[in-house]
Amino acid sequence: DSGVTQTPKHLITATGQRVTLRCSPRSGDLSVYWYQQSLDQGLQFLIHYYNGEERAKGNILERFSAQQFPDLHSELNLSSLELGDSALYFCASSGGGIIGEQFFGPGTRLTVL
Amino acid sequence: KNEVEQSPQNLTAQEGEFITINCSYSVGISALHWLQQHPGGGIVSLFMLSSGKKKHGRLIATINIQEKHSSLHITASHPRDSAVYICAGQGNTDKLIFGTGTRLQVFP
Repeated sequence: DSGVTQTPKHLITATGQRVTLRCSPRSGDLSVYWYQQSLDQGLQFLIHYYNGEERAKGNILERFSAQQFPDLHSELNLSSLELGDSALYFCASSGGGIIGEQFFGPGTRLTVL
Repeated sequence: KNEVEQSPQNLTAQEGEFITINCSYSVGISALHWLQQHPGGGIVSLFMLSSGKKKHGRLIATINIQEKHSSLHITASHPRDSAVYICAGQGNTDKLIFGTGTRLQVFP
C-alpha cells in the first residue's frame, strides 16, 4: 500500500459527460502528479501540483483540468468525454522536492461508452 | 524515436534465471525511475537513481549517465516477478517521460 488513495476505482460513463477523479496523497506529501495510461499511448504525464499551485503541465487536453485543495487532495476533472478518453488515470505523490520518488495510487479506470 | 526506450518489449524466463531489462534515453535527466506494474494495474516504484547502483532484495538497478543507459536486473527470478517493468526519465522539470515497458513472464 503506497498510502496514496484514489476514488473511484472504476467509472463508466457516456460520451459528452463530465467526471471528477479524486486523489489523496500520502500524509505529508506536497506534490501530486496525474498520469494517463491508455492502450495506444502508454503512460503520459498530465499535470503536477505542488502545495496547491500548478507546477508543470504535460499532454493535458483543454477539456481536462485539475486542482489541488488546501488539504492537499487533488481532483482531475474531465469534461466533454470522448471514447478515446477511456484509460487508467493514476495519481502519484512525492515529498516535495522536484526530484523525488513518486508513490502511485491504485488508479481509476475510466470507460467512456 | 521515443525519448526513453526499453528493451526487450517482452521477456520470458524460467524460474531462477537472471534477468536484465535495458533502458536508454536521449534527453537530459536528473533521475531515472524504475516502476513495476502488476496485471491488476497498480504501479509500484522500485527505484529512483541518478548515479551508480541501487539494490533492493533481488532487484538491482544501475545507471550510466555518460552512456544514457540504465539496467534493471532481477536475480533468482520467481513467477511473482511477472509484471510490466517501466523506466521513466525525470528532467529538471517535474514530468516523467516513460518508456513503453517490458512485459516479463517467469514460468515455474
